[in-house]
Amino acid sequence: GENVEQHPSTLSVQEGDSAVIKCTYSDSASNYFPWYKQELGKGPQLIIDIRSNVGEKKDQRIAVTLNKTAKHFSLHITETQPEDSAVYFCAAKMAGGSYIPTFGRGTSLIVHP
Amino acid sequence: DSGVTQTPKHLITATGQRVTLRCSPRSGDLSVYWYQQSLDQGLQFLIQYYNGEERAKGNILERFSAQQFPDLHSELNLSSLELGDSALYFCASSVESSTDTQYFGPGTRLTVL
Repeated sequence: GENVEQHPSTLSVQEGDSAVIKCTYSDSASNYFPWYKQELGKGPQLIIDIRSNVGEKKDQRIAVTLNKTAKHFSLHITETQPEDSAVYFCAAKMAGGSYIPTFGRGTSLIVHP
Repeated sequence: DSGVTQTPKHLITATGQRVTLRCSPRSGDLSVYWYQQSLDQGLQFLIQYYNGEERAKGNILERFSAQQFPDLHSELNLSSLELGDSALYFCASSVESSTDTQYFGPGTRLTVL
């Protein structure tokens, strides 16, 4: 089955800095990669996703890059703000709702004002 | 707010007991997923239902069972509870079984004493 490794487990940055979270996956058949943000006391919320037919996707201050050859993908957050503080999860799956995503263990991002 | 609702928000019970967690998917969503989140295991997929029928099964214990009703709400039943069952339980929903995007509810925090 799929195995997703996520690093780092904790990331501490100053407000305004950039943050990068990296994930690797094992199953070359995976072609859908969502990222979720989980704030304290809430459920995971989808913030961005990427499919294997593109290498990069941006949405305002967040971007995701995908390297299918190396089987890794990364989340980039620029100009971090205190409200970006949360736990971020990456996931990998084959496209299609009958396939279930495998999640990374999560990265706790702390943005210091 | 994802539109997925879960009740109760918190549940405290004793070992050996049985509890029922309830989930209402987003309006129009036919597929429901249950996940367990504990500190040392991350987000673990338990089971998926689509339009009332079981579609996929993950690492769900035999002591746990679920069902999806005709009005599409779902219930997760946990019996013979053990201390190790203490965790956050999330429900997610998607439009249909072929859709990749899952929307998570706020979760139920179960504490087994």
